[in-house]
Amino acid sequence: DIQMTQSPSSVSASVGDRVTISCRASQDITRWLAWYQQKPGEAPKILIYAASDLQSGVPSRFSGSGYGTDFTLTISSLQPEDFATYFCQQASSFPYTFGQGTKLDIK
Amino acid sequence: QLLESGGDLVQPGGSLRLSCAASGIPFNSYNMGWVRQAPGKGLDWVSYIDSSSTTIHYADSVRGRFTISRNNAQNSLYLQMNNLRAEDTAVYYCARLPRGDIWGKGAAVTVSS
Repeated sequence: DIQMTQSPSSVSASVGDRVTISCRASQDITRWLAWYQQKPGEAPKILIYAASDLQSGVPSRFSGSGYGTDFTLTISSLQPEDFATYFCQQASSFPYTFGQGTKLDIK
Repeated sequence: QLLESGGDLVQPGGSLRLSCAASGIPFNSYNMGWVRQAPGKGLDWVSYIDSSSTTIHYADSVRGRFTISRNNAQNSLYLQMNNLRAEDTAVYYCARLPRGDIWGKGAAVTVSS
């Protein structure tokens, strides 16, 4: 199975800050990576697919990069509604696996 | 666009069938799956089925106990869960996979005596 490791597991930031979350795969997944945002009591919401493609309707302050084993989600200027938990997920091979999550909270 | 139902409290060893009704989307052309989330935990992929039910995959933790199926004529996805364990307690989401752009709101399954 492919292991997905996110870092950090939690981060505190302020409105307007730039935040970067990393995700590392235990083997090459080319571009088969998605990023999700989840708020308490809600279903996950996709932000980025294919490592760097912005899902329609998602603000452009979200961006993704990476290829192979190392990937990054960047939020360029945090907004109040961005405080949530973020997950990466690989879809290169079964079983699909998720990172453990990164909780982003207000400093 | 996706609405799960069938979640309940069930005793260990019991069975439950989850349903996911699709509306407003071309369900019969979408690959689908189930993802669960235990209380306070992360996301855990459970199962996958392609649009024609030709390809099916399961997580090791549920293989042999859970069965995924679909009825394209009724725009519905199912998860039959047998021999349930306490560790199956979670909110179960149906979702378009691997695209990940459409998710239901989830159905809560609690396995407890």
